[in-house]
Amino acid sequence: GAVVSQHPSRVICKSGTSVKIECRSLDFQATTMFWYRQFPKQSLMLMATSNEGSKATYEQGVEKDKFLINHASLTLSTLTVTSAHPEDSSFYICSATGLNEQYFGPGTRLTVT
Amino acid sequence: DAKTTQPPSMDCAEGRAANLPCNHSTISGNEYVYWYRQIHSQGPQYIIHGLKNNETNEMASLIITEDRKSSTLILPHATLRDTAVYYCIVRVASKGGADGLTFGKGTHLIIQP
Repeated sequence: GAVVSQHPSRVICKSGTSVKIECRSLDFQATTMFWYRQFPKQSLMLMATSNEGSKATYEQGVEKDKFLINHASLTLSTLTVTSAHPEDSSFYICSATGLNEQYFGPGTRLTVT
Repeated sequence: DAKTTQPPSMDCAEGRAANLPCNHSTISGNEYVYWYRQIHSQGPQYIIHGLKNNETNEMASLIITEDRKSSTLILPHATLRDTAVYYCIVRVASKGGADGLTFGKGTHLIIQP
């Protein structure tokens, strides 16, 4: 099946700093990528839809100025959490569309201290 | 997308068949039933999907009732590695991967040794 990677897998940062998470489709081109967030003991929640070469579409309640998404190529999307705070600590998961299905990355565990 | 209802948790003995039910009584004619699973601290994994016919692949079988208001995912010989949260999602497949997925709470399947 199609492979999606994320980097880093785990990151700890101080409050007020910014963190960038990369999502790559390794063996296919993805015109659309998605970013999800998952808090402990909860389900995945869609944050935004990222289309190559255009602005991301954010779900209601997700601040676009705080969660910057860039989808510069068909194999790479990045999520930057700006001015991170402890409440941004979460499991961030991306997915990429390929062959009419969504393939998920392994996730990035963000801890803001 | 139609709403789904799943039991919050289930146990199954190792080596036995695990049958996971899902109710989707408001499913529309053009909506497919998808199953994903999420092993702890990993990204979701696609399992199987179907419209109205029963489907089987190397991972599982999907049985959809004739009225399409419910379905059952069957893992024929469960192993400890099948312990995960299983999500039943109903969506219009013609959109391919163009839309983000809406995850419910899923069923936490625990395989007992």
